[in-house]
Amino acid sequence: EAGVTQSPTHLIKTRGQQATLRCSPISGHTSVYWYQQALGLGLQFLLWYDEGEERNRGNFPPRFSGRQFPNYSSELNVNALELEDSALYLCASSFGTGDQETQYFGPGTRLLVL
Amino acid sequence: QKEVEQNSGPLSVPEGAIASLNCTYSDRVSQSFFWYRQYSGKSPELIMSIYSNGDKEDGRFTAQLNKASQYVSLLIRDSQPSDSATYLCAVPRRGYQKVTFGTGTKLQVIP
Repeated sequence: EAGVTQSPTHLIKTRGQQATLRCSPISGHTSVYWYQQALGLGLQFLLWYDEGEERNRGNFPPRFSGRQFPNYSSELNVNALELEDSALYLCASSFGTGDQETQYFGPGTRLLVL
Repeated sequence: QKEVEQNSGPLSVPEGAIASLNCTYSDRVSQSFFWYRQYSGKSPELIMSIYSNGDKEDGRFTAQLNKASQYVSLLIRDSQPSDSATYLCAVPRRGYQKVTFGTGTKLQVIP
């Protein structure tokens, strides 16, 4: 069974540009989570999508947005890039409900903003 | 108090020893707990989940949960250099539909 996939693996942008990151969940998983992990720091929750709807978002400005498509794949958009947006962006998909929900991570997209 | 707290380490243990990693959480109603392993520059990998008080063993890994004291631990027996990584504790928050991750404990296994 294929795991969570993300593209691209690396992305280099300049300040002020827009970045688009993509994620395909494990087959059968309907929830997709996005996290930001800056170098040496912990995982910061960004967004949660389920069944095509945004269910929750973390403490990030509106220039971080995304969507989930009918096939449950997801896209994260970061507008007006700032230097501090440089980080590893991780996508996770999950199955199960409530307390039994288990998240599985993709390999990540490393974004560098110059 | 942070929702999920872990000692950042690094925790250094000699090869073959038992590594003990601890995590405390603030939400008393939390029911499930996860341990992830993250190698430098890589994504987190799920290694253990635990839902009930007591111990759960899987190979060289044992997760221990004490809900009354609000802590969960991960023991790694016969530690190997390949176990050197950052270990993340994760706790789903009921009602918020998201998982809160600790900042992780860096483990170094010395050959």
